[in-house]
Amino acid sequence: DAKTTQPPSMDCAEGRAANLPCNHSTISGNEYVYWYRQIHSQGPQYIIHGLKNNETNEMASLIITEDRKSSTLILPHATLRDTAVYYCIVRGPNAGKSTFGDGTTLTVKP
Amino acid sequence: NAGVTQTPKFQVLKTGQSMTLQCAQDMNHNSMYWYRQDPGMGLRLIYYSASEGTTDKGEVPNGYNVSRLNKREFSLRLESAAPSQTSVYFCASSEAPGQGSEQYFGPGTRLTVT
Repeated sequence: DAKTTQPPSMDCAEGRAANLPCNHSTISGNEYVYWYRQIHSQGPQYIIHGLKNNETNEMASLIITEDRKSSTLILPHATLRDTAVYYCIVRGPNAGKSTFGDGTTLTVKP
Repeated sequence: NAGVTQTPKFQVLKTGQSMTLQCAQDMNHNSMYWYRQDPGMGLRLIYYSASEGTTDKGEVPNGYNVSRLNKREFSLRLESAAPSQTSVYFCASSEAPGQGSEQYFGPGTRLTVT
């Protein structure tokens, strides 16, 4: 599976949009981009995933560039409860390649 | 619908002791996974089971064994615990093993080996 690169930390003001970038320049055509988050030491929580097209659900939007080498997770109106570590991972057909990197620690400030 | 459950929540072992971490899911998922997370780091895959009756090694399998007891249950065994295995262990499940299928995680087991 492709490796991902994320900034170690980001801040965001409460009520503003949080834009979390992820680079995955070696992604293959059959690999999906997934985003998870981990609040404190809880189990990671699934947020969203996509292959080529932009995706939106009740939690977030995922923007994937046309060349698929990078993506951005958007939390449209961040709240204090969105403070967490956000992981971007790329997964293909092999379930054994499913390691999470170090992620981005997002801190939402009042 | 409890999702993914793990037992125990906390465990302290002495070096050389053995134990089994239990995981169960009630979502009728085919695939199950065991990860470990060391302080300040991301999750690393230990073992996974793509479907009932199969198990395969992940990134860091040394010192562990697994059993896919049935479709619901996937256990992780430490035969001879070492301090380097002090970590938080997460179990996860997904409908299918590969792309397009999100994983659901349990609350974790916090293991300390002294």
